Amino acid sequence: GQQLNQSPQSMFIQEGEDVSMNCTSSSIFNTWLWYKQDPGEGPVLLIALYKAGELTSNGRLTAQFGITRKDSFLNISASIPSDVGIYFCAGVNYGGSQGNLIFGKGTKLSVKP
Amino acid sequence: NAGVTQTPKFQVLKTGQSMTLQCAQDMNHNSMYWYRQDPGMGLRLIYYSASEGTTDKGEVPNGYNVSRLNKREFSLRLESAAPSQTSVYFCASSGRQGSVYGYTFGSGTRLTVV
Repeated sequence: GQQLNQSPQSMFIQEGEDVSMNCTSSSIFNTWLWYKQDPGEGPVLLIALYKAGELTSNGRLTAQFGITRKDSFLNISASIPSDVGIYFCAGVNYGGSQGNLIFGKGTKLSVKP
Repeated sequence: NAGVTQTPKFQVLKTGQSMTLQCAQDMNHNSMYWYRQDPGMGLRLIYYSASEGTTDKGEVPNGYNVSRLNKREFSLRLESAAPSQTSVYFCASSGRQGSVYGYTFGSGTRLTVV
């Protein structure tokens, strides 16, 4: 089955640092999504990407849909404490409004001690 | 507030017991999904329903059944719970939200099977 490789698995951030994470796939998708999950909650959509090469921002977050359609990255600039959580990439091939998301295993952001 | 509502939030079962997890969405979405989340595994699809009246298996369907009761509601049933089914279960629905096709997730059901 389709698999997504998300890296890094975990990282520690200091307030003000920029953060990067990425996702690669063995197969192509027509949509890439990035989610954040806070403890005890479900994932919340951050950014959706629909076109190869597309670069989209949401505040301090920027994500890109890779040209090959097999990868995507997410950058967080000038991190703040509330950025802590687990970030998931997800690929999907939508047909109409339906498609099954394939999730990466997540990148856990924690604050440096 | 519009969204996906799951009940219960927490549940402890004994091995062999049965239970049904409930999910309802009020966004008029056609498609609904059940995922399980285990540490280090991300979210894995159990079953989905592309539209009212249809259901299909996902990646990890064994030990589960589902019912799409109507457009709003999609339930997940464990007939004979096993410790391997200890997990956090998320229901989601998908559809167009403005210009975005997106999934909306519920807040999860934390199930422990002892």
